[in-house]
Parts: sequence; C-alpha cells; structure tokens
Amino acid sequence: DIQMTQSPSTLSASVGDRVTITCRASQNISIWLAWYQQKPGTAPKFLIYQASKLQSGVPSTFIGSGSGTEFALTISSLQPDDFATYFCQQYDSFPYTFGQGTKLEIK
Amino acid sequence: QVQLVESGGGVVQPGRSLRVSCAAFGFTFSYYGMHWVRQAPGKGLEWVAVISYDGANIHYADSVKGRFTISRDTSKDTLYLQMNSLRPEDTAVYYCARGQYQLDYWGQGILVTVS
Repeated sequence: DIQMTQSPSTLSASVGDRVTITCRASQNISIWLAWYQQKPGTAPKFLIYQASKLQSGVPSTFIGSGSGTEFALTISSLQPDDFATYFCQQYDSFPYTFGQGTKLEIK
Repeated sequence: QVQLVESGGGVVQPGRSLRVSCAAFGFTFSYYGMHWVRQAPGKGLEWVAVISYDGANIHYADSVKGRFTISRDTSKDTLYLQMNSLRPEDTAVYYCARGQYQLDYWGQGILVTVS
C-alpha cells in the first residue's frame, strides 16, 4: 500500500499569512493526488485534483504543486474561513490512501 | 444540485451486521464510480471501498476485505455498504462520496457504533 505522510501535523498561522502543507508519498504516484478541507462536524470538501488543478469554485488562493512523491498545498493569503484540517489523498493505485491530516489553527 | 444522503447507521454489537445506504440526487448516478470513506472519532480519513459506475470493478481496504460488501442499485440511485462481523474498531462516521478517482462530492456522513 502507498503511505501518505503529511507535515506538519499542526500549523499555527494568522489571517493574511502564506502557509504550505506538504504531503509525501511512499512511492511515485505521478500527479494522482487530491486535497480536501474538513471543518469540525462536517464532511470533507474537495479542493484540488491531479496535484495542481483547482476544483470549480475553490478560491485561487489555494495552490497545489508537486509530482512523483513530493506535493504541497499552499494557501497564499489565509482567510478566516481557511482554518480547518487538510488531507491529501493518492489515487494512483488501490487501496486509495489519505494522509493523516494537517490542522491549520489561528495563531 | 448534487446531494448524497446516508442512512442506516446506529449502534450494533460486535460480530453483528449492519447495512448503510447512500441515496444520490442531482446527477446521473449510473455515470459515476462511488466510494465509502470512514472516520473514527477524532481520527483521520480512511478509504474503505469503491465500486465502478457499472458495478463491474470493486476494491476494498485490507481492513474490511472479506467482511464488507459495496454494491449499488441504479434503479434506486442508491449505494450500499453491507458490513458483517463488525468490530469495535469499525466504529466511525461513514461517508459516501462520488468519483472514480478524486472524490468530488461527499455525503454528510452516518455514525456507526460497534459496542
């Protein structure tokens, strides 16, 4: 199975900051990576697919990058609504796997 | 608009069975692969199973293989997860989600407690 490792586990930042969350795959997954945002008590929300393509309606402040085994989700200017937990997911091969999550907190 | 509504959760004893359902609205159900993803209390997301748009291809996580069965009824626009031989570690919110690869729409989730 492909292991997905996110870092950091928790990130403290302020409104207006630029932050980056990284996701590492245990083997080459090309660009077959998605990112999701989850707020407490709600279902995950789909943000990015194929590592860098923005889902319709997602603000352009969300930027996905990477290929192979190293990926990143950058939020270029944090808004109050962005404080949440973020998960990466590989869909290169079954079983699909998620990273453990990165909680983005208000500093 | 696209809507996925799970039902059938609850409290069940270890070793027993439960079936959860996911009703789909607002899109052509027969065109899309569908997944189940679960989240144990306070934990991260765990992918559980997928069924292709036509039901011909199915895959499971190792943790549920042989115990859980994913299926779909196109006439009812409904996805199912039959869970047998349930264990306390299966306690989680179960989400259905649309998509063959990335999961673009998710249901609100249904809690299954094995105790």
